[in-house]
Amino acid sequence: DTEVTQTPKHLVMGMTNKKSLKCEQHMGHRAMYWYKQKAKKPPELMFVYSYEKLSINESVPSRFSPECPNSSLLNLHLHALQPEDSALYLCASSQPTVSKETQYFGPGTRLLVL
Amino acid sequence: AQTVTQSQPEMSVQEAETVTLSCTYDTSESDYYLFWYKQPPSRQMILVIRQEAYKQQNATENRFSVNFQKAAKSFSLKISDSQLGDAAMYFCAYRKNNAGNMLTFGGGTRLMVKP
Repeated sequence: DTEVTQTPKHLVMGMTNKKSLKCEQHMGHRAMYWYKQKAKKPPELMFVYSYEKLSINESVPSRFSPECPNSSLLNLHLHALQPEDSALYLCASSQPTVSKETQYFGPGTRLLVL
Repeated sequence: AQTVTQSQPEMSVQEAETVTLSCTYDTSESDYYLFWYKQPPSRQMILVIRQEAYKQQNATENRFSVNFQKAAKSFSLKISDSQLGDAAMYFCAYRKNNAGNMLTFGGGTRLMVKP
């Protein structure tokens, strides 16, 4: 099973709203990632959690706040977003202890900021 | 810094024919992994194939195979017997071994399959 799930599939929010994106995996992976993807572009890494600790923050604005409550869950809290934050947000996971470490992606959340 | 280049923004292929997508990368490392990911219009990014740099043998997965030329830093994807379901964005990606989990993606190639 290589399934990563994400909810919601679609989200529309105003610039003053607070919302959260959720990601879940049950593959026993101990690394989880948030990416932002614009249309016809590759994913851009935002955050990496390794063993439930934030290991990489790619200079993401503070209006994006990640959280890793446990090894299976990853959240992305959104607050005071801008229209340019509209994008597909992808979650991924991997097992960092194996030599053939491979990232598996979820289906994404399509976010529209009005 | 590592870079990955996909020089073909768009490609098209006739159903049942063969198509090759190009990818080149720049690295000073000798131990790394290369990946091809497929992202259909439904959006989910799916792993197509993976190649370990220390292996000389080219990876194959059913109709998908790679031509890995380490000296030339080239990693092309060949799709044989193309099917309508192969239509997607294809991303080439690089990961240095022990890189702290980070992938470097190419810009992507949009593949269209003509019936």
